[in-house]
Amino acid sequence: EVQLVESGGGLVQPGESLRLSCAASGFTFSSYAMSWVRQAPGKGLEWVSALSGSYGRTYYADSVKGRFTISRDNSKSTLYLHMNSLRAEDTAVYYCAKEGPDYYDSSGYYGGFDYWGQGTLVTVSS
Amino acid sequence: EIVLTQSPGTLSLSPGERATLSCRASQSVSSSYLAWYQQKPGQAPRLLIYAASSRATGIPDRFSGSGSGTDFTLTISRLEPEDFAVYYCQQYGSSPRTFGQGTKVEIK
Repeated sequence: EVQLVESGGGLVQPGESLRLSCAASGFTFSSYAMSWVRQAPGKGLEWVSALSGSYGRTYYADSVKGRFTISRDNSKSTLYLHMNSLRAEDTAVYYCAKEGPDYYDSSGYYGGFDYWGQGTLVTVSS
Repeated sequence: EIVLTQSPGTLSLSPGERATLSCRASQSVSSSYLAWYQQKPGQAPRLLIYAASSRATGIPDRFSGSGSGTDFTLTISRLEPEDFAVYYCQQYGSSPRTFGQGTKVEIK
């Protein structure tokens, strides 16, 4: 059974940093791209960042480029999101999501987000 | 960046009725890499449809997806009580991956 469990959320002040983690199990972690998606209170879904299964190919939304860094430790089946210079508008529930096997290249599988974690709340406020 | 526009914003229907949700892209979606998700309050989204028309594992056949290029549709043939929720489309053929703003399907 695929499981994704996020952790690391909390209340921080503007300008501070936070690291989110997503522990994965039930699939070959290194074969699949992973993404972070966030949802501000009462709002829709916003894709934040993605990382290929291997070779470290990273992708970012313009809203977080230069402030957030996605990484993974395939030996621990864990995905991370390092968030720096946090702003009030970064307040949201952050979900990690596994990408499905819709297409493949040398860096792994990519696709629709077939499994999601339960989310972790990040609140940026003074 | 591909902008996805969903319509209508809210759909008010009764159980047993047919729901038709639209997702229009600002430019062609590569290889029809378009997905639909369902989200209920307090829950994570759930994948319904991938690659425009393929049902995800365990999704009932009353859900179907169609379309290509810039116009995509999610159809729920007969609404069940558990289908009242918010639905999002998403393209994942190019980066940045983007979501539509959502369509809420509510009980009339």
